Amino acid sequence: QQQVKQSPQSLIVQKGGISIINCAYENTAFDYFPWYQQFPGKGPALLIAIRPDVSEKKEGRFTISFNKSAKQFSLHIMDSQPGDSATYFCAGQTQGGSEKLVFGKGTKLTVNP
Amino acid sequence: NAGVMQNPRHLVRRRGQEARLRCSPMKGHSHVYWYRQLPEEGLKFMVYLQKENIIDESGMPKERFSAEFPKEGPSILRIQQVVRGDSAAYFCASSPGGTQPQHFGDGTRLSIL
Repeated sequence: QQQVKQSPQSLIVQKGGISIINCAYENTAFDYFPWYQQFPGKGPALLIAIRPDVSEKKEGRFTISFNKSAKQFSLHIMDSQPGDSATYFCAGQTQGGSEKLVFGKGTKLTVNP
Repeated sequence: NAGVMQNPRHLVRRRGQEARLRCSPMKGHSHVYWYRQLPEEGLKFMVYLQKENIIDESGMPKERFSAEFPKEGPSILRIQQVVRGDSAAYFCASSPGGTQPQHFGDGTRLSIL
């Protein structure tokens, strides 16, 4: 019940295109869903996050869409750039309890120039 | 404001030796989390600590692994009698607690010869 399933495992997009990464969770106690971006040799950096009381959150070129009934959420990167090439991780968290993040296995995004 | 500091960045140990990984949280953060990342895998929660207390160690292997976050100084993740399977990147994150996001360091890459 702790799993977060992420797809695809890898994604190749042309510059200017839309990158879409999907996640599904099982634990209905999750109440915070962050996305992290990780470059090689670096730690994960918080990109954008959403709580289940909203269906969409947008920050610049990054948008999270959230479907509570389906227990799914996705990251959309508009106008993808080569600098967006990185590994992206979704996660779920139950705040106020253990506070541990449960991560998906990651999506390696490559944006071709 | 300095970020989460981890050292060493790279650590090489022979089988049977001890590994000590250090993490200094961001200023003002009293919650520390340790995660392990295996190649091509997502991050797996290990332990959650507050000053002088272990809050959740459900992800820690039962033997050889221990963690502490003393009143003064960094948090320490200690691995005794290391084995080849301990080779991984170990990440530390910190937060002020509550509903605030976790911020990650750049990790310690542990290699076991």
